[in-house]
Amino acid sequence: GESVGLHLPTLSVQEGDNSIINCAYSNSASDYFIWYKQESGKGPQFIIDIRSNMDKRQGQRVTVLLNKTVKHLSLQIAATQPGDSAVYFCAENYDRGSTLGRLYFGRGTQLTVWP
Amino acid sequence: GAGVSQSPSNKVTEKGKDVELRCDPISGHTALYWYRQSLGQGLEFLIYFQGNSAPDKSGLPSDRFSAERTGGSVSTLTIQRTQQEDSAVYLCASSLKRGPYEQYFGPGTRLTVT
Repeated sequence: GESVGLHLPTLSVQEGDNSIINCAYSNSASDYFIWYKQESGKGPQFIIDIRSNMDKRQGQRVTVLLNKTVKHLSLQIAATQPGDSAVYFCAENYDRGSTLGRLYFGRGTQLTVWP
Repeated sequence: GAGVSQSPSNKVTEKGKDVELRCDPISGHTALYWYRQSLGQGLEFLIYFQGNSAPDKSGLPSDRFSAERTGGSVSTLTIQRTQQEDSAVYLCASSLKRGPYEQYFGPGTRLTVT
């Protein structure tokens, strides 16, 4: 069935480098995408979101890119810091009607930042 | 301001017992969601409340699971006759209005069924 998935389950980067976390989605009806960061023992924390009428959105040290042609989403983290080490989840919305707003989550990518 | 809170933070119960998990959403948020996260896995949708509308229960894994939301605020997730496969972290999230908008998550309740 259609689902949100991730290309890599783990990613290791050096402190100060840029990180890119990828996410593939298969539902062409998806119109809203969101990234969460989850540290061990905590609930997911909102990072950034993007709607399908945009290709790029920037936040503080983060950028989300959306390529609807190939159904690909990426999260770029600039100057990665040890505090960025966490599991990163992408999620999409494609429901309409009464379940509008329900998010479908991918499996997650573990980002490890080495000093 | 106060975020989403959940209680208890940890719950250990014996197989066959009933458990209740509580969620206090952010004040003013009309949408409330419950998810389940098994070890090393993503988030599995369970149930969705939006205002006074009938909840979307399509994610509940069995009829042993139920949830209610009183007064459009606090929600309780009840699991009856718990099984070992129910062991997971149960996460609650709320959002300002009917989606799709960012959902704010609580810290979760870690349920262990022995």
